[in-house]
Amino acid sequence: DQQVKQNSPSLSVQEGRISILNCDYTNSMFDYFLWYKKYPAEGPTFLISISSIKDKNEDGRFTVFLNKSAKHLSLHIVPSQPGDSAVYFCAAKGSRSNYQLIWGAGTKLIIKP
Amino acid sequence: DSGVTQTPKHLITATGQRVTLRCSPRSGDLSVYWYQQSLDQGLQFLIQYYNGEERAKGNILERFSAQQFPDLHSELNLSSLELGDSALYFCASSVDLSHQRFAGNTIYFGEGSWLTVV
Repeated sequence: DQQVKQNSPSLSVQEGRISILNCDYTNSMFDYFLWYKKYPAEGPTFLISISSIKDKNEDGRFTVFLNKSAKHLSLHIVPSQPGDSAVYFCAAKGSRSNYQLIWGAGTKLIIKP
Repeated sequence: DSGVTQTPKHLITATGQRVTLRCSPRSGDLSVYWYQQSLDQGLQFLIQYYNGEERAKGNILERFSAQQFPDLHSELNLSSLELGDSALYFCASSVDLSHQRFAGNTIYFGEGSWLTVV
């Protein structure tokens, strides 16, 4: 039962353009969502988060949007830079998961020069 | 550098064998988590310890066990290894209990231990 889904295993975007990474979830009890970024040979690092009381959170070039009715969140990176090439994991938590993070499979973002 | 140290970085072993993965959390962090990442899979939560006590269990097989020692370092023991156990095993730590509602951003990951079972 995959409660957090990232349906795109990979995404290729031109440098300077917008990157949009998507994440869907099935558990309506999730109330906090996070994006982590992972470079090869490194552990994931926290990027940005959003709670269910908001529908948007922005941090510099990174913006996360939450659509609760659609159980969908997205990460926008504008403008995309070569250093953004990494695997991006979506994770969610809530009372049903005892607040343990439930992770998606990740999306590999490739920024083309 | 997250401050979380994992050893060994790479390990190759045969089926049926037993291995121990080690983790030193960030200074001051009381919670330690173990995750498994298999090929093309997301991060699977295995187990969490807080100040020496088991706090939460995820999809951890009975052949696997873990413990957290008084100095807060942790070990993940994998026994009767099978080919399917080949994966990247991450340790993470946090200063407080991650099951607190909005504490997810305080989890710090190590670089992982690559386990290959042949």
